[in-house]
Amino acid sequence: ETGVTQTPRHLVMGMTNKKSLKCEQHLGHNAMYWYKQSAKKPLELMFVYSLEERVENNSVPSRFSPECPNSSHLFLHLHTLQPEDSALYLCASSQEIKSSYNEQFFGPGTRLTVL
Amino acid sequence: AQKVTQAQTEISVVEKEDVTLDCVYETRDTTYYLFWYKQPPSGELVFLIRRNSFDEQNEISGRYSWNFQKSTSSFNFTITASQVVDSAVYFCALSEAWNTDKLIFGTGTRLQVFP
Repeated sequence: ETGVTQTPRHLVMGMTNKKSLKCEQHLGHNAMYWYKQSAKKPLELMFVYSLEERVENNSVPSRFSPECPNSSHLFLHLHTLQPEDSALYLCASSQEIKSSYNEQFFGPGTRLTVL
Repeated sequence: AQKVTQAQTEISVVEKEDVTLDCVYETRDTTYYLFWYKQPPSGELVFLIRRNSFDEQNEISGRYSWNFQKSTSSFNFTITASQVVDSAVYFCALSEAWNTDKLIFGTGTRLQVFP
């Protein structure tokens, strides 16, 4: 595998379900990110992790719970979501934070539908 | 405040036409970075270019070229001799030196290239 991978690619869940999104980067990067992409809105940064430590939480509701067990893996745990949470969730990684080497490389995303 | 504006929501061209995607940004920082990403139907954002605020040289990469003009706060992207494979949503983004993790995206321009 190369680059940034995400699973599942598609997910349909009810409002009472609990599910998790997984992201894995094979680039040797130290920083990982979760973004939400809704129709007709700019990409919204949700969380930033650097060396497994959360460095940014962009006022995201607690029904979204990130986890970063190591610098290659990032999870987004979902519970009691709302229909307006339906979106494309994108994971990204970069070499490090607070650096001029800040290109972010994105995975293909998980298309989430909440019924 | 930081902001990226992509005024063109959708552009349609016929193959082999040249097309320019506009990007205007706002920032108070004197050191910042500008990016272009391509999002094909598969969903993954593909990094195209990063430019820092001290480098106003235009760049050409094959059929792609970028025109950075600090005087007008613009970072426009031109595709020469467009091809059907160029059909995608293109995003312009900005990050500031004091907070390089945070990419501020525009709303994107959907480019459709017809054969």
